[in-house]
Amino acid sequence: SQQGEEDPQALSIQEGENATMNCSYKTSINNLQWYRQNSGRGLVHLILIRSNEREKHSGRLRVTLDTSKKSSSLLITASRAADTASYFCATDAGRIQGAQKLVFGQGTRLTINP
Amino acid sequence: AAGVIQSPRHLIKEKRETATLKCYPIPRHDTVYWYQQGPGQDPQFLISFYEKMQSDKGSIPDRFSAQQFSDYHSELNMSSLELGDSALYFCASSGNNEKLFFGSGTQLSVL
Repeated sequence: SQQGEEDPQALSIQEGENATMNCSYKTSINNLQWYRQNSGRGLVHLILIRSNEREKHSGRLRVTLDTSKKSSSLLITASRAADTASYFCATDAGRIQGAQKLVFGQGTRLTINP
Repeated sequence: AAGVIQSPRHLIKEKRETATLKCYPIPRHDTVYWYQQGPGQDPQFLISFYEKMQSDKGSIPDRFSAQQFSDYHSELNMSSLELGDSALYFCASSGNNEKLFFGSGTQLSVL
């Protein structure tokens, strides 16, 4: 199994509903980040939560982190068609010679139906 | 605001050929990362540079090499291309916080 496994792999909901995606990881982390990717495009940073934080909000996004269970969840409230994308969690275990090493999970493909 | 620029956007090569991908990080970002993403897969870390020095290597084949130049741009060189090298290659850069900023990627197709 890889660091940062995500669940579910695919999620399809109606516009206006809430979407919840989960991420599990194996090793200790400094922080966990969520990224969004539209098909064939670059990843866009959404939100970062540090290992000493339990919950963080940004607009319609809410992220939780449970370091005892090595898991995180991303909640998107009041979903919109434009939220259709793949969502990846990425764990950061710290810097190696100045650079971070972000390890990405397998992603959740979210489809919002109008 | 300036973003990470990658070139070319698309590249088609034959087996056993060589490819060079270029990345121009956001100005004043000191760290560059390269990731490979196969169809329907998660991005896999290849290599990173901090202040022009190689920091870490991931699952990068020996046929691949990379460097970061004095102007902070980076190049990923891929030789003896194989069909399995077909993927989206992303460059990302970061500064003094932990967020990575990704380019739009280079779609490499090996025929």
